[in-house]
Amino acid sequence: EDQVTQSPEALRLQEGESSSLNCSYTVSGLRGLFWYRQDPGKGPEFLFTLYSAGEEKEKERLKATLTKKESFLHITAPKPEDSATYLCAVQDSNYQLIWGAGTKLIIKP
Amino acid sequence: ETGVTQTPRHLVMGMTNKKSLKCEQHLGHNAMYWYKQSAKKPLELMFVYSLEERVENNSVPSRFSPECPNSSHLFLHLHTLQPEDSALYLCASSQDRGVTTDTQYFGPGTRLTVL
Repeated sequence: EDQVTQSPEALRLQEGESSSLNCSYTVSGLRGLFWYRQDPGKGPEFLFTLYSAGEEKEKERLKATLTKKESFLHITAPKPEDSATYLCAVQDSNYQLIWGAGTKLIIKP
Repeated sequence: ETGVTQTPRHLVMGMTNKKSLKCEQHLGHNAMYWYKQSAKKPLELMFVYSLEERVENNSVPSRFSPECPNSSHLFLHLHTLQPEDSALYLCASSQDRGVTTDTQYFGPGTRLTVL
């Protein structure tokens, strides 16, 4: 059964303290892996799409990487405005999107 | 207006009420989606429309009834809801259904509370 698991469920960091969020997946025929950011009371905001193992993408303090089993969202020197829930979703061979439950990231000033 | 808009943003209704959620996308996309988001759970896909035709219906109770009059508008009609239906309802759109680069763009959601 296709599955996406995000860890940790919640992560508290001090401002400037770098860390990584994990998205592990089991899926038949990966077509793409998506990262979104969601602020409280808002809809998910698209960040990245990764298509194949070894691919990396960056945006400001965020860097997403992909292997055959998992993806990491690395956050470097985070700021309080990076606080949000980060969602991962995987598209399988039938173009179905399987979503993880998200990681709630809190950055303390 | 740009992107995907949803109205109302908040809705409180009783179990015997009938209400509708509205979604409009200004991106020129051909596919639209309804999702349910409950706390600490993955997004649940409810319905998918592609070129105004419903292409997916994921075992959603009949008290939820979607309508897609054109490729820019999507409605979710609600009637006789249960308290467990309280959630954030998200609308999304994408260029096409079933394309690798099929990035979905979301609206702000409607926070629904059923009393």
